[in-house]
Amino acid sequence: TAGITQAPTSQILAAGRSMTLRCTQDMRHNAMYWYRQDLGLGLRLIHYSNTAGTTGKGEVPDGYSVSRANTDDFPLTLASAVPSQTSVYFCASSSGTDFYGYTFGSGTRLTVV
Amino acid sequence: GQNIDQPTEMTATEGAIVQINCTYQTSGFNGLFWYQQHAGEAPTFLSYNVLDGLEEKGRFSSFLSRSKGYSYLLLKELQMKDSASYLCAAMDSNYQLIWGAGTKLIIKP
Repeated sequence: TAGITQAPTSQILAAGRSMTLRCTQDMRHNAMYWYRQDLGLGLRLIHYSNTAGTTGKGEVPDGYSVSRANTDDFPLTLASAVPSQTSVYFCASSSGTDFYGYTFGSGTRLTVV
Repeated sequence: GQNIDQPTEMTATEGAIVQINCTYQTSGFNGLFWYQQHAGEAPTFLSYNVLDGLEEKGRFSSFLSRSKGYSYLLLKELQMKDSASYLCAAMDSNYQLIWGAGTKLIIKP
């Protein structure tokens, strides 16, 4: 089934450690996004990529980095995790210029202790 | 600035009708989206409006007024499975979605 795959599903991470959240899509979508979702705050954009080879900062980019080496993959890295990065992380993709909205991955629940 | 406002929580009765309102303010406008999100799951696409008026899709309808920066999602014949959060999002001139915080809909028997 076409869509977006995120890994891992959940993770407990010690503060100060690094981690990469993986995201792969097979829809050949140009644009990809990383969001975090916290109770009462809704979806907040961390980083985005409009096409392979380019990335941009969203609303809450600090402490996170991304890369977009090819169309399919868009990993999110936490270089040195802090407890405030405890959240549910969603990867999403879209065609980029049409009006079909975004397709979301199933999410990664990250707890930083 | 860009902003989306929607109620935090609403309660309705099974079999009834509920309307969830959303107001938006964005830099440019390329459409208004509604997503449904069940607890612990990813958001899923419900509807898209880019022109004024009502779009009907089964039990769900969505309305848009661009001049008022206003949309609503109408859910008819409510079922227990409709208990979820409903996210309003407006697409700006860069084709990025600006998200509301979501409305948690509680359905009572």
